[in-house]
Amino acid sequence: DIVLTQSPGTLSLSPGERATLSCRASQSVSSNYLAWYQQKPGQAPRLLIYGASSRATGIPDRFGGSGSGTDFTLTISRLEPEDFAVYYCQQYGSSPLTFGGGTRVEIK
Amino acid sequence: EVQLVQSGAEVKKPGESLKISCKGSGYSFTGYWIGWVRQMPGKGLEWMGIIYPGDSDTRYSPPFQGQVTISADKSISTAYLQWSSLKASDTAMYYCARSPLIRGYSYGHFDYWGQGTLVTVSS
Repeated sequence: DIVLTQSPGTLSLSPGERATLSCRASQSVSSNYLAWYQQKPGQAPRLLIYGASSRATGIPDRFGGSGSGTDFTLTISRLEPEDFAVYYCQQYGSSPLTFGGGTRVEIK
Repeated sequence: EVQLVQSGAEVKKPGESLKISCKGSGYSFTGYWIGWVRQMPGKGLEWMGIIYPGDSDTRYSPPFQGQVTISADKSISTAYLQWSSLKASDTAMYYCARSPLIRGYSYGHFDYWGQGTLVTVSS
């Protein structure tokens, strides 16, 4: 199974700042099949990025995904108040599908 | 509008059986995979398994193989997750989510999610 390790566990930032979240895979993710999700308390996850860098429908362009192989990054260029949440990466290059442990982005 | 609507919260005793549902609308139900994801209290996301309602092809994540059964009734655009004998450790939120076809037939990321079904198992 591919293990995804997200770092940091918690990111404390202020609105307007840039957030950089990391997702590292234990082995190469086939075809860069890596997705990012946002989850707010009491809500279902929401797809942000798929294929490592493609934004999902309706996702603002302040969210950007990059990376390949084993190292992937989600960048939020300027944090808005509604962006404070938990973020998960997920690989779908091989089965079983796996998720990272999550990064919490909190207000500093 | 694509929607996945899940059945309501359940409170069960250990050893009881349970079947929860996920009804899709606003898209061709047989043209996408439907997956199930567990989230235990205060924890992260875990992929349980997935079904392709078009032909009922079903795959399970190894930890969940034999522990749950995933099925679908394409005539009513509904997928199911069921347990034959619940344990306290099954207490969690369960989400269904839609996965588009990738590489022709395989499953991948999840673009639409249900609202979740909270299952509480307690004596």
